[in-house]
Amino acid sequence: GQQLNQSPQSMFIQEGEDVSMNCTSSSIFNTWLWYKQDPGEGPVLLIALYKAGELTSNGRLTAQFGITRKDSFLNISASIPSDVGIYFCAGLNSPGTYKYIFGTGTRLKVLA
Amino acid sequence: NAGVTQTPKFQVLKTGQSMTLQCAQDMNHNSMYWYRQDPGMGLRLIYYSASEGTTDKGEVPNGYNVSRLNKREFSLRLESAAPSQTSVYFCASRRDGSSYNSPLHFGNGTRLTVT
Repeated sequence: GQQLNQSPQSMFIQEGEDVSMNCTSSSIFNTWLWYKQDPGEGPVLLIALYKAGELTSNGRLTAQFGITRKDSFLNISASIPSDVGIYFCAGLNSPGTYKYIFGTGTRLKVLA
Repeated sequence: NAGVTQTPKFQVLKTGQSMTLQCAQDMNHNSMYWYRQDPGMGLRLIYYSASEGTTDKGEVPNGYNVSRLNKREFSLRLESAAPSQTSVYFCASRRDGSSYNSPLHFGNGTRLTVT
């Protein structure tokens, strides 16, 4: 089945550094979501994007809906140890459909 | 404020055994979903229910059945478990009927091992 290309697959960073990750697709999407998953728990919604070019922040997190509608980006500023986890993107390519497509995740590890 | 509740949290089955994974949401959402999560493969849709009384196949439905018991509950059944069904299973729900694509809300998962 279709999946989104998410990169990087994993990253180690120092506490205080900024983090960037992205998600790309061969198809156009009209909704992008970013989730975080902690060990042993379900994904938790971080940011939802609904419009090409949209830039939305949630605390230290900022996500953008790419102009081409085929990609999205998530930035984390001044990372802290609790940012550790797996970050997933998800996209939906037409209104009224029910099948979100998920990326394979970016595993983030923060070194104190 | 429970959100999406899944039971059990952990389960070990022997090949050929059957079981039902339970999911309930208290957010009055219309649509509900079952996903499986495997290492390196992200979340894959097994079945979904757009509304009470309807169910549809997702990406990987083989070996599974579902029941949308009422608006709150959506169960996933493995009739004859196989080792390939070892995975983490997530239930999710979504509010519909709005002009935008509302996001999915997930439960905390059921970790299933089939030996």
